[in-house]
Amino acid sequence: DAGVTQSPTHLIKTRGQQVTLRCSPKSGHDTVSWYQQALGQGPQFIFQYYEEEERQRGNFPDRFSGHQFPNYSSELNVNALLLGDSALYLCASSLLQAGALYGYTFGSGTRLTVV
Amino acid sequence: AQSVTQLGSHVSVSEGALVLLRCNYSSSVPPYLFWYVQYPNQGLQLLLKYTSAATLVKGINGFEAEFKKSETSFHLTKPSAHMSDAAEYFCAVSPGDDKIIFGKGTRLHILP
Repeated sequence: DAGVTQSPTHLIKTRGQQVTLRCSPKSGHDTVSWYQQALGQGPQFIFQYYEEEERQRGNFPDRFSGHQFPNYSSELNVNALLLGDSALYLCASSLLQAGALYGYTFGSGTRLTVV
Repeated sequence: AQSVTQLGSHVSVSEGALVLLRCNYSSSVPPYLFWYVQYPNQGLQLLLKYTSAATLVKGINGFEAEFKKSETSFHLTKPSAHMSDAAEYFCAVSPGDDKIIFGKGTRLHILP
């Protein structure tokens, strides 16, 4: 049973560019949450998608946007990259009716470096 | 807003010694609390969770945590540290809206 798959694993981009990160949730999960983990910090909630809609959002600017597809996979897009966007981006999937209480399944993350 | 504070960004213990990682939560209502572990270059793995069923929660790999409402604490312990326990540990809280809020993490070092 495949867990959460994220791609790519590493990425280097230049300031001002745009980036798209991808996530395939665990089989049977319908909700995808994205987190940003800066070096030496805990993961910070970016947003959550369910039924192809953004369900809730953390304190991140509009440069961060996302999408969820009918097969529950998801993309995270970041426009106008800043050096401060360099981080590990984690995707977590869950089953909405079970809630976070029953645990997220995390992917291994995408390491984004902005130069 | 709910939050958690982890005391000590780095903790070192000798192999075989007691592991104690501290976490205090801020919540106006009984929260759901979690401990996650992150090994190098990996995602987060759930160690254990508190859901109000029992104050002493047992998790994987011999870890346990005790919910103390009077102290607003949820400290993680393991009686005897193993080299394989070296990792980053995150305390987290869920306000009940399917979102999980993480602390800044504590890196556990195991000394031979």
